[in-house]
Parts: sequence; structure tokens; C-alpha cells
Amino acid sequence: QSALTQPASVSGSPGQSITVSCSGTSSDIGTYDYVSWYQQHPGKAPKLMIFDVSNRPSGVSNRFSGSKSGNTASLTISGLQAEDEADYYCSSYTSSSTLVVFGGGTKLTVL
Amino acid sequence: EVQLVESGGGLVQPGGSLRLSCEASGFTFSAYEMNWVRQGPGKGLEWVSYISRSGSTIYYADSVKGRFTISRDNAKDSLYLQMNSLRAEDSAVYYCARYLAGYYFMDVWGKGTTVTVSS
Repeated sequence: QSALTQPASVSGSPGQSITVSCSGTSSDIGTYDYVSWYQQHPGKAPKLMIFDVSNRPSGVSNRFSGSKSGNTASLTISGLQAEDEADYYCSSYTSSSTLVVFGGGTKLTVL
Repeated sequence: EVQLVESGGGLVQPGGSLRLSCEASGFTFSAYEMNWVRQGPGKGLEWVSYISRSGSTIYYADSVKGRFTISRDNAKDSLYLQMNSLRAEDSAVYYCARYLAGYYFMDVWGKGTTVTVSS
């Protein structure tokens, strides 16, 4: 069982917006602004999409945005495109003994 | 080009050992903290271990504590993961990924090396 909780799947049509949630606790998301999001296409390594809750690395489309409220972080993808179809993972720093936690991943299907 | 290249994966029997390596290039390896992250077949990402720039601070996931040992050689721009007492559930693609010191996101990942634990 993953430390952060994500929906198993989400879907949307091209051009629409979707939001992926990531629920944690006061030991991670609720206290620290160290939430990151990763995109992973089948057979590929994960790619950083969002860091520190809402910051985009250079080269990542501004269609990707992140936010946080309480113990829950969210990734929003606007203007869905076919190439956005992938698995998305959230991650957070945690004050527990393990330092890092990941969510179970969300499969995005572009209809 | 900034790059991380893992090696050392393979087929090993339950109870056996394996040593993974991760060679860095294109950046100052000693300036970055490093992690190992794994992904079992059809499963999600699981953080495995972290090591600080000097190697003085180390963390492990509870699932590998006492069996795996992370280390680094800054002179060789290399990260290692010694895996002992391997179990079937350790079968996974193992990725190395870097943290910029003081931050908690992994901005560069290797392509991974596959470990299969089976008799």
C-alpha cells in the first residue's frame, strides 16, 4: 500500500482538462511544500513534470500545473493531447523515517 | 549531456546477492544527492534508498532495510546498491535518480536496470 493515495485512473477527451489528486497526511503533503509529479510512458523512465507543488521545470508545457490544499495535492492538465496519455505519480518529502513517499500512480487515458 | 546509466541487473536466485551501479556524466556528481527507485512488473514507483552528497546520511525504505546498502564513489562519479538476501518481491526495474542538494525532487533519471529474483 502506497503512502500517498491517487485514483487508479482518469480520462478525458482531447482539449479537455483533467485533475489528478494525491492525498497524504500531516507528515508529508500537509506540512511540506515538497510535492513533485512525474509522468511515465510505457517502458520509459519517469520524467519530472512539477516540483515544489506548483513549479514547472524548463521544457515542460504550461498545460501542466500543480496545487495543494491541506493534505491533498493536485496535478491539472489542460488542453489534453494524445501524448499526455501516460501514468502519473505524485511524490512528497516525509518527516517519517523513510524521507520520500510516492503515490500508487494514476493512468491517464485520452479518449 | 546530463546522464545516468544503471548496470548490474540480472537473474538471481532467492537469497542471492546483486550489486547495481549507476554511472553519472555531464554534471558534477558530488554536488547531488542520489536515490534508488524501483518499479515491480506492472506496479508503481517505490522509493528504495537515498544517500547524501558525502555519503554521511543514508535512508532506506522499510522493505529493504537491513538487506540493501547504498553507497557512492564521487571520484568515480558512481552510485551503488548492494542487494543481499533477495526475495521474489525485489524483482523490479531499478532506477537511479538525482536530487539537487536541499531539494526533494528527482530531476534526472536513468533508464533503469532489471532485477529478476527467481529460482
